[in-house]
Amino acid sequence: DAGVIQSPRHEVTEMGQEVTLRCKPISGHDYLFWYRQTMMRGLELLIYFNNNVPIDDSGMPEDRFSAKMPNASFSTLKIQPSEPRDSAVYFCASSQILASTGNTEAFFGQGTRLTVV
Amino acid sequence: RKEVEQDPGPFNVPEGATVAFNCTYSNSASQSFFWYRQDCRKEPKLLMSVYSSGNEDGRFTAQLNRASQYISLLIRDSKLSDSATYLCVVNIGNYGQNFVFGPGTRLSVLP
Repeated sequence: DAGVIQSPRHEVTEMGQEVTLRCKPISGHDYLFWYRQTMMRGLELLIYFNNNVPIDDSGMPEDRFSAKMPNASFSTLKIQPSEPRDSAVYFCASSQILASTGNTEAFFGQGTRLTVV
Repeated sequence: RKEVEQDPGPFNVPEGATVAFNCTYSNSASQSFFWYRQDCRKEPKLLMSVYSSGNEDGRFTAQLNRASQYISLLIRDSKLSDSATYLCVVNIGNYGQNFVFGPGTRLSVLP
């Protein structure tokens, strides 16, 4: 498996523009997470899905942020309009429950480095 | 109080040294625990899961104390390649719903 795939790897945009980040989870994983990482706040969970359904979006900072998961193999995180303080690395991760042990771990994509100028 | 707290670091140690990282968590309902490693400008990657009885993987040993809500990671015979940020992660969901990351402890192993 290729792992969690995110695109683009880097995005530079002007304040006020719409930004769309994309994620393809590992096949068979039924949980998908969006995280944001900054030096000041570390790694923060924004939202997660289970079987394509949003379960907890309490970490989404503002209404400018929205996330969708139209099917099991694709998710988007959209920021509209973008602001300079949105500059960060955005990670997508996926996980599954192991039937044998009940354990689960999150596998991360390589991240999208977003810069809003 | 933050949900997951770690030693602030950074830790600068010589090759071959033994180094220990500590982590505390606030949610007593936490279900599972992990240590992740993150290299500069890379994504976090699982280093090891932490089990109640403690577990060892080569030079790495993880311990969990549920009563004290405390997790530790011990690295023996440290290598230059161990230099990274180590993230303590607590899953507070019943079935993998919510991975909460600590702020991380940065380790630099010096020649």
